[in-house]
Amino acid sequence: AQRVTQPEKLLSVFKGAPVELKCNYSYSGSPELFWYVQYSRQRLQLLLRHISRESIKGFTADLNKGETSFHLKKPFAQEEDSAMYYCALGEYNFNKFYFGSGTKLNVKP
Amino acid sequence: NAGVTQTPKFQVLKTGQSMTLQCAQDMNHNSMYWYRQDPGMGLRLIYYSASEGTTDKGEVPNGYNVSRLNKREFSLRLESAAPSQTSVYFCASSGDDYYEQYFGPGTRLTVT
Repeated sequence: AQRVTQPEKLLSVFKGAPVELKCNYSYSGSPELFWYVQYSRQRLQLLLRHISRESIKGFTADLNKGETSFHLKKPFAQEEDSAMYYCALGEYNFNKFYFGSGTKLNVKP
Repeated sequence: NAGVTQTPKFQVLKTGQSMTLQCAQDMNHNSMYWYRQDPGMGLRLIYYSASEGTTDKGEVPNGYNVSRLNKREFSLRLESAAPSQTSVYFCASSGDDYYEQYFGPGTRLTVT
C-alpha cells in the first residue's frame, strides 16, 4: 500500500511566487516525516524533518495529523529552488523509509 | 570524507547475467539501505541492514540478495538480471539517530 503520496509530478511557478508541494501519508502509528531534495547533478539530501520544526532555505512543513498531510511551503520561490522534491515517512526506529514519487519544482525567471 | 560511494556508475547487462553493486560509507554508520528509483515510482526500499551482520527485506526484495560485509560495506547482487530490474539504484546510510539518510550518487543499470 502506498504510504506516501505526492499528487503533483511537476509544479511550475514564477520567481517570487509562493510554492506549496503537497504530501499525504498513510500510517497507523506516529509518523516521522521528512522532505528530501535532489538538485540537478547532485545527490539526494535531507531538506527538513518535521520533528525539528525548522525552516531550511526558507522552506517550512507542518505535520497535520487530521489531514494526514505534510505539505512543503515557501512564500517566495527562487530559481535555485528548482529541483526534485521527495516526501518520506520513517517507521519506528527508521529501519524502513517510504518515499513518495517526487515532485519536480520548476521556478521560472 | 567521501560519504557514501557506489560502484559502478553505469552498467549494461544482458538478461540472465549476474552482477554485484558495491556500496561503502566512511561515516561509521550502523544502518545501510538499498533503493531503486523508477520513473513515477519514487524510491523503493529493496533491502536494509540495521547493523553489521544483519539484513532485512524492504518493499521490493525479489530478485536481489545483499551482503553486509562489514560495517562499511553493503553490496547488492542480482543473480539473474531481468529487464524489469532496469533502474537507478541508490545506496544510503544513517547514523544512530536514524533521522537523516546519506545517499550515494547512484548506479544506472540497464538490462537488455
